[in-house]
Amino acid sequence: DTAVSQTPKYLVTQMGNDKSIKCEQNLGHDTMYWYKQDSKKFLKIMFSYNNKELIINETVPNRFSPKSPDKAHLNLHINSLELGDSAVYFCASSQDLAGGREQFFGPGTRLTVL
Amino acid sequence: AQTVTQSQPEMSVQEAETVTLSCTYDTSESDYYLFWYKQPPSRQMILVIRQEAYKQQNATENRFSVNFQKAAKSFSLKISDSQLGDAAMYFCAYRSFRNQFYFGTGTSLTVIP
Repeated sequence: DTAVSQTPKYLVTQMGNDKSIKCEQNLGHDTMYWYKQDSKKFLKIMFSYNNKELIINETVPNRFSPKSPDKAHLNLHINSLELGDSAVYFCASSQDLAGGREQFFGPGTRLTVL
Repeated sequence: AQTVTQSQPEMSVQEAETVTLSCTYDTSESDYYLFWYKQPPSRQMILVIRQEAYKQQNATENRFSVNFQKAAKSFSLKISDSQLGDAAMYFCAYRSFRNQFYFGTGTSLTVIP
């Protein structure tokens, strides 16, 4: 069973379009995250959600909005896509309880904006 | 805010040899967790090893071990008997007591046959 899944794995779209990436985790974790990995492989945290509450929001354009219908899902919606949004986007989850467990990552979504 | 520094953008090692990847971090916390992740060309992020800051003993997972120096805020990864499948991007990560994660910029490891 896949622990953290993302759909789609590849997304090619035109500038100005709106798109969504879905993420689901079946681990029962409390917190979910979105990361952006650029062409230099730098991982940048975008958002994290804990029990439907946004607890981290780095300097991300407001064209990006996380949506969490329930604890197991954290979708990423992007409005008015720009060329610079081309990257690999990773969803991840972790457990908040004591134990310091690691993050589990999804397979990533490669977004290409033309 | 915590920062994680990986000063080696690229490293190479001969197959069957040993290589050490460096990681330093900056924090004022006393309780935290450290991880090494591996990202092969498939791009899947895979946990290699974890270390709890309150444990003095260095973590070991088969051919992978760490040298954790808490006072120096250093967390290096040693890969013994390197294999072709070890070729990947390696990320050092810090988890704060408040469940915030910080990643280094990564080290690209090449394994030479």
